[in-house]
Amino acid sequence: GQQVMQIPQYQHVQEGEDFTTYCNSSTTLSNIQWYKQRPGGHPVFLIQLVKSGEVKKQKRLTFQFGEAKKNSSLHITATQTTDVGTYFCAGGGNKLVFGAGTILRVKS
Amino acid sequence: DTAVSQTPKYLVTQMGNDKSIKCEQNLGHDTMYWYKQDSKKFLKIMFSYNNKELIINETVPNRFSPKSPDKAHLNLHINSLELGDSAVYFCASSHADRSSYEQYFGPGTRLTVT
Repeated sequence: GQQVMQIPQYQHVQEGEDFTTYCNSSTTLSNIQWYKQRPGGHPVFLIQLVKSGEVKKQKRLTFQFGEAKKNSSLHITATQTTDVGTYFCAGGGNKLVFGAGTILRVKS
Repeated sequence: DTAVSQTPKYLVTQMGNDKSIKCEQNLGHDTMYWYKQDSKKFLKIMFSYNNKELIINETVPNRFSPKSPDKAHLNLHINSLELGDSAVYFCASSHADRSSYEQYFGPGTRLTVT
Protein backbone atom coordinates (compact mmCIF):
# COMPACT_ATOMS: atom_id res chain seq x y z
CA GLY A 1 0.00 0.00 0.00
CA GLN A 2 0.87 3.65 -0.21
CA GLN A 3 3.59 4.68 2.25
CA VAL A 4 5.05 8.07 3.06
CA MET A 5 8.44 8.19 4.75
CA GLN A 6 9.53 11.36 6.50
CA ILE A 7 12.98 12.29 7.80
CA PRO A 8 14.51 13.27 10.10
CA GLN A 9 12.47 12.11 13.05
CA TYR A 10 13.91 14.84 15.28
CA GLN A 11 15.84 18.03 14.68
CA HIS A 12 17.30 20.39 17.25
CA VAL A 13 18.52 23.69 15.84
CA GLN A 14 19.86 26.90 17.24
CA GLU A 15 17.54 29.83 16.73
CA GLY A 16 18.43 31.47 13.44
CA GLU A 17 19.58 28.26 11.78
CA ASP A 18 17.74 26.72 8.86
CA PHE A 19 15.66 23.54 9.03
CA THR A 20 14.51 21.07 6.40
CA THR A 21 12.27 18.01 6.57
CA TYR A 22 11.87 15.56 3.70
CA CYS A 23 9.12 13.26 2.56
CA ASN A 24 9.35 10.34 0.17
CA SER A 25 6.57 8.22 -1.20
CA SER A 26 6.69 4.70 -2.57
CA THR A 27 4.15 5.70 -5.21
CA THR A 28 3.40 8.76 -7.32
CA LEU A 29 1.26 11.18 -5.39
CA SER A 30 -1.66 13.21 -6.69
CA ASN A 31 -0.90 15.92 -4.15
CA ILE A 32 0.97 16.53 -0.94
CA GLN A 33 -0.12 18.47 2.10
CA TRP A 34 1.86 19.82 5.03
CA TYR A 35 0.62 20.23 8.57
CA LYS A 36 2.09 21.71 11.74
CA GLN A 37 1.29 20.52 15.23
CA ARG A 38 2.39 22.75 18.09
CA PRO A 39 3.28 21.02 21.39
CA GLY A 40 0.05 20.04 23.10
CA GLY A 41 -1.96 21.09 20.06
CA HIS A 42 -3.54 19.51 17.04
CA PRO A 43 -2.33 19.29 13.43
CA VAL A 44 -3.09 22.42 11.44
CA PHE A 45 -3.04 22.54 7.65
CA LEU A 46 -0.26 24.67 6.18
CA ILE A 47 -0.32 24.16 2.44
CA GLN A 48 -1.03 21.82 -0.45
CA LEU A 49 1.12 21.18 -3.52
CA VAL A 50 -0.35 19.60 -6.61
CA LYS A 51 1.84 20.24 -9.62
CA SER A 52 5.09 18.50 -10.52
CA GLY A 53 8.07 20.65 -9.46
CA GLU A 54 5.84 23.11 -7.66
CA VAL A 55 7.40 25.52 -5.17
CA LYS A 56 5.37 27.61 -2.75
CA LYS A 57 6.48 30.05 -0.09
CA GLN A 58 4.89 31.26 3.10
CA LYS A 59 7.15 33.88 4.68
CA ARG A 60 10.18 31.89 5.91
CA LEU A 61 8.72 28.52 4.85
CA THR A 62 9.44 27.06 1.42
CA PHE A 63 7.60 23.97 0.19
CA GLN A 64 8.67 21.90 -2.80
CA PHE A 65 7.06 19.04 -4.69
CA GLY A 66 9.41 16.84 -6.68
CA GLU A 67 9.33 16.50 -10.44
CA ALA A 68 8.25 12.88 -10.20
CA LYS A 69 5.65 13.76 -7.53
CA LYS A 70 7.16 11.23 -5.19
CA ASN A 71 8.99 13.52 -2.80
CA SER A 72 8.55 16.83 -1.07
CA SER A 73 10.39 19.08 1.32
CA LEU A 74 9.69 21.86 3.77
CA HIS A 75 12.48 24.33 4.44
CA ILE A 76 12.39 26.95 7.18
CA THR A 77 14.85 29.80 6.91
CA ALA A 78 16.22 31.36 10.10
CA THR A 79 14.15 29.40 12.57
CA GLN A 80 12.43 31.12 15.46
CA THR A 81 11.16 29.71 18.75
CA THR A 82 7.64 29.98 17.39
CA ASP A 83 8.54 27.33 14.78
CA VAL A 84 8.76 24.54 17.37
CA GLY A 85 6.42 21.65 16.83
CA THR A 86 5.94 18.59 14.69
CA TYR A 87 5.71 18.96 10.93
CA PHE A 88 3.80 16.33 9.01
CA CYS A 89 3.63 15.71 5.32
CA ALA A 90 0.61 13.85 3.99
CA GLY A 91 0.60 12.25 0.57
CA GLY A 92 -2.56 12.13 -1.49
CA GLY A 93 -3.68 9.19 -3.59
CA ASN A 94 -6.65 6.96 -2.88
CA LYS A 95 -6.49 8.44 0.57
CA LEU A 96 -4.33 10.87 2.49
CA VAL A 97 -1.39 9.09 4.14
CA PHE A 98 0.54 10.94 6.83
CA GLY A 99 4.28 10.71 7.29
CA ALA A 100 5.68 10.01 10.75
CA GLY A 101 6.44 13.68 11.33
CA THR A 102 9.58 15.63 12.17
CA ILE A 103 9.81 17.10 15.66
CA LEU A 104 11.55 20.47 15.58
CA ARG A 105 13.13 21.97 18.69
CA VAL A 106 14.62 25.44 18.57
CA LYS A 107 17.20 26.53 21.13
CA SER A 108 17.25 30.23 21.87
CA ASP B 1 -17.20 29.03 16.76
CA THR B 2 -15.07 25.89 17.14
CA ALA B 3 -14.90 24.13 13.79
CA VAL B 4 -14.22 20.61 15.04
CA SER B 5 -14.89 19.89 18.69
CA GLN B 6 -14.26 16.79 20.77
CA THR B 7 -15.36 15.74 24.22
CA PRO B 8 -13.91 14.98 26.60
CA LYS B 9 -10.49 16.62 26.33
CA TYR B 10 -9.00 14.26 28.90
CA LEU B 11 -10.14 10.78 29.82
CA VAL B 12 -8.55 8.68 32.54
CA THR B 13 -9.98 5.24 33.08
CA GLN B 14 -9.10 1.76 34.18
CA MET B 15 -8.43 -1.30 32.10
CA GLY B 16 -11.52 -3.20 31.11
CA ASN B 17 -13.83 -0.18 31.11
CA ASP B 18 -15.88 1.02 28.15
CA LYS B 19 -15.68 4.66 27.10
CA SER B 20 -16.85 6.95 24.33
CA ILE B 21 -15.41 10.04 22.69
CA LYS B 22 -17.66 12.44 20.83
CA CYS B 23 -16.84 14.62 17.85
CA GLU B 24 -18.82 17.32 16.10
CA GLN B 25 -17.98 19.58 13.18
CA ASN B 26 -19.85 22.71 12.13
CA LEU B 27 -18.05 23.17 8.82
CA GLY B 28 -20.67 21.44 6.72
CA HIS B 29 -18.10 18.80 5.71
CA ASP B 30 -19.16 15.43 4.32
CA THR B 31 -16.23 13.37 5.59
CA MET B 32 -15.00 12.74 9.12
CA TYR B 33 -12.07 10.76 10.49
CA TRP B 34 -10.63 9.30 13.65
CA TYR B 35 -6.87 9.24 14.16
CA LYS B 36 -4.77 7.78 16.95
CA GLN B 37 -1.52 9.55 17.87
CA ASP B 38 0.92 7.62 20.00
CA SER B 39 3.68 8.94 22.23
CA LYS B 40 6.05 9.17 19.26
CA LYS B 41 3.62 11.53 17.50
CA PHE B 42 2.79 9.03 14.78
CA LEU B 43 -0.66 9.78 13.33
CA LYS B 44 -2.50 6.62 12.42
CA ILE B 45 -5.86 6.77 10.69
CA MET B 46 -8.45 4.49 12.21
CA PHE B 47 -11.74 5.22 10.48
CA SER B 48 -13.25 7.49 7.89
CA TYR B 49 -16.93 8.21 7.27
CA ASN B 50 -18.47 9.95 4.29
CA ASN B 51 -22.07 11.07 4.71
CA LYS B 52 -22.53 8.64 7.59
CA GLU B 53 -21.11 5.75 5.56
CA LEU B 54 -17.94 3.96 6.64
CA ILE B 55 -15.32 4.23 3.89
CA ILE B 56 -12.02 3.54 5.64
CA ASN B 57 -11.65 0.95 8.34
CA GLU B 58 -7.98 0.40 9.03
CA THR B 59 -6.72 -2.55 10.99
CA VAL B 60 -7.87 -1.68 14.47
CA PRO B 61 -9.21 -4.04 17.12
CA ASN B 62 -12.95 -4.58 16.90
CA ARG B 63 -13.17 -3.18 20.42
CA PHE B 64 -13.22 0.17 18.62
CA SER B 65 -16.56 1.00 17.06
CA PRO B 66 -17.31 4.29 15.33
CA LYS B 67 -20.81 5.64 14.95
CA SER B 68 -22.01 8.49 12.81
CA PRO B 69 -25.58 9.54 13.65
CA ASP B 70 -25.40 12.30 11.05
CA LYS B 71 -22.69 13.78 8.89
CA ALA B 72 -21.80 16.40 11.50
CA HIS B 73 -21.04 13.86 14.21
CA LEU B 74 -18.67 10.94 14.50
CA ASN B 75 -18.33 9.21 17.83
CA LEU B 76 -15.85 6.56 18.90
CA HIS B 77 -16.76 3.86 21.38
CA ILE B 78 -14.05 1.69 22.90
CA ASN B 79 -14.85 -1.53 24.73
CA SER B 80 -12.66 -3.36 27.23
CA LEU B 81 -9.96 -0.70 27.33
CA GLU B 82 -6.34 -1.87 27.39
CA LEU B 83 -3.12 -0.14 28.46
CA GLY B 84 -2.04 0.10 24.82
CA ASP B 85 -5.08 2.20 24.01
CA SER B 86 -3.50 5.13 25.86
CA ALA B 87 -2.92 7.82 23.26
CA VAL B 88 -4.32 11.06 21.92
CA TYR B 89 -7.32 10.55 19.65
CA PHE B 90 -8.02 13.19 17.04
CA CYS B 91 -11.20 13.67 15.12
CA ALA B 92 -10.91 15.45 11.78
CA SER B 93 -13.15 16.46 8.92
CA SER B 94 -12.78 17.42 5.29
CA HIS B 95 -15.03 18.77 2.59
CA ALA B 96 -15.23 15.45 0.78
CA ASP B 97 -13.75 12.02 0.58
CA ARG B 98 -10.80 13.02 -1.56
CA SER B 99 -7.18 13.39 -0.59
CA SER B 100 -7.02 16.79 -2.27
CA TYR B 101 -9.10 18.35 0.48
CA GLU B 102 -7.40 19.64 3.61
CA GLN B 103 -8.35 18.11 6.89
CA TYR B 104 -9.44 20.10 9.94
CA PHE B 105 -8.51 18.50 13.22
CA GLY B 106 -10.22 18.71 16.56
CA PRO B 107 -8.30 19.54 19.74
CA GLY B 108 -7.80 15.88 20.61
CA THR B 109 -8.80 13.62 23.49
CA ARG B 110 -5.97 12.38 25.67
CA LEU B 111 -6.92 8.90 26.83
CA THR B 112 -4.99 7.36 29.71
CA VAL B 113 -5.71 3.78 30.66
CA THR B 114 -4.40 2.67 34.05
